[in-house]
Amino acid sequence: AQKVTQAQTEISVVEKEDVTLDCVYETRDTTYYLFWYKQPPSGELVFLIRRNSFDEQNEISGRYSWNFQKSTSSFNFTITASQVVDSAVYFCALSEAYNTNAGKSTFGDGTTLTVKP
Amino acid sequence: DAGVIQSPRHEVTEMGQEVTLRCKPISGHNSLFWYRQTMMRGLELLIYFNNNVPIDDSGMPEDRFSAKMPNASFSTLKIQPSEPRDSAVYFCASSPLADRGTEAFFGQGTRLTVV
Repeated sequence: AQKVTQAQTEISVVEKEDVTLDCVYETRDTTYYLFWYKQPPSGELVFLIRRNSFDEQNEISGRYSWNFQKSTSSFNFTITASQVVDSAVYFCALSEAYNTNAGKSTFGDGTTLTVKP
Repeated sequence: DAGVIQSPRHEVTEMGQEVTLRCKPISGHNSLFWYRQTMMRGLELLIYFNNNVPIDDSGMPEDRFSAKMPNASFSTLKIQPSEPRDSAVYFCASSPLADRGTEAFFGQGTRLTVV
């Protein structure tokens, strides 16, 4: 069975601080996909990034960066120089590729990030 | 592209009533998902369709819940009879090729309150 753990329930930082959101996953598949989604106060879920299990390159997009480490089954998300608009709930998700769960994403419980001015 | 469209955005109903939530996926997407979000249980996958066929409904809480996808552009989630514990935000999402790892595109959700 697949499982995603986001141990940090809530994080509060002051604007311009860097913050890292942790994500640890469990899967028996050798081919799988990892995602991060953002849910701002308005409620919609917005896709941020996708990674497949064969691509361990870290990625940077503006102030966002992602660190994927298969050895520790982690896919952590860092926001550099946080801003108030980053305040949201962030979800990590896992989707397996080659079994009956193919295409079905399991979400973590989410981390609520509050960025204070 | 209009994105995934859900209706209604808000629904308040009395216990025992039938509730129908509607979803129009993004055109061309083959996979459709219904999720439920609550404070207690987080985001739960209720049911997943591929090419209009239900693939996995193991997340449907009980027989009071049913979902259909009569064609590629429309899906419904029905609760009959509704109960206060069904109060939640229900999200519909679609994906072009979910089993190839493409991301899901979510609708804005339907906030259901059962009183």
